[in-house]
Amino acid sequence: DIVMTQSPDSLAVSLGERATINCKSSQSVLYSSNTKNYLAWYQQKPGQPPKLLIYWASTRESGVPDRFSGSGSGTDFTLTIGSLQAEDVAVYYCQQYYSPPLTFGQGTTVAIK
Amino acid sequence: EVQLVQSGAEVKKPGESLKISCKGSGYSFTTYWIGWVRQMPGKGLEWMGIIHPSDSDTRYSPSFQGQVTISADKSISTAYLQWSSLKASDTAMYYCARHLSADIVDPFDIWGQGTMITVSS
Repeated sequence: DIVMTQSPDSLAVSLGERATINCKSSQSVLYSSNTKNYLAWYQQKPGQPPKLLIYWASTRESGVPDRFSGSGSGTDFTLTIGSLQAEDVAVYYCQQYYSPPLTFGQGTTVAIK
Repeated sequence: EVQLVQSGAEVKKPGESLKISCKGSGYSFTTYWIGWVRQMPGKGLEWMGIIHPSDSDTRYSPSFQGQVTISADKSISTAYLQWSSLKASDTAMYYCARHLSADIVDPFDIWGQGTMITVSS
């Protein structure tokens, strides 16, 4: 199985400031034949199911605010919230979909400082 | 509107069997893989497995192989997750979710509301 490790486990950021979450995979999730990274990011607010934010490491899902951005390639990825809003308080998960089982990271909790 | 609607919360005793459901609507149910994700209380997301409703081709995580059964009835656009003998450690929220496209490897773009399963004597 590909192991996904996120850092930090939690962070507190002031409103309007940048939040950065890292995700590292135990093996590359870059498929050489199409040069795509099989990496997604989700947001989960309390009492709600997860919501897809980003796929192919950097493609925003329809309707996702542009303050959310994804970057990285191979084994190292980053989710950036450009200007934290109160409604962004949530747990964020990365997921590799390169090969089954399609494993998730352990989650990163984002709070307001 | 594309949606997945799951069956309601269940409280069961250890050793009992259970089958929960996930009904898709607003899209072609037989085109997209449907998966199940476990979330134990206060914990993260665990991918359990996926099924293609058109032919019931199923893939399991090794962690869940033999512990649960995933099935689907395309005639009523419904996927299922079932247990033959529940354990206390099965207590969790279970989500069904749809793949973003028709590919077997894909993120989940549509999620059900979740079904809470509590197993206690």
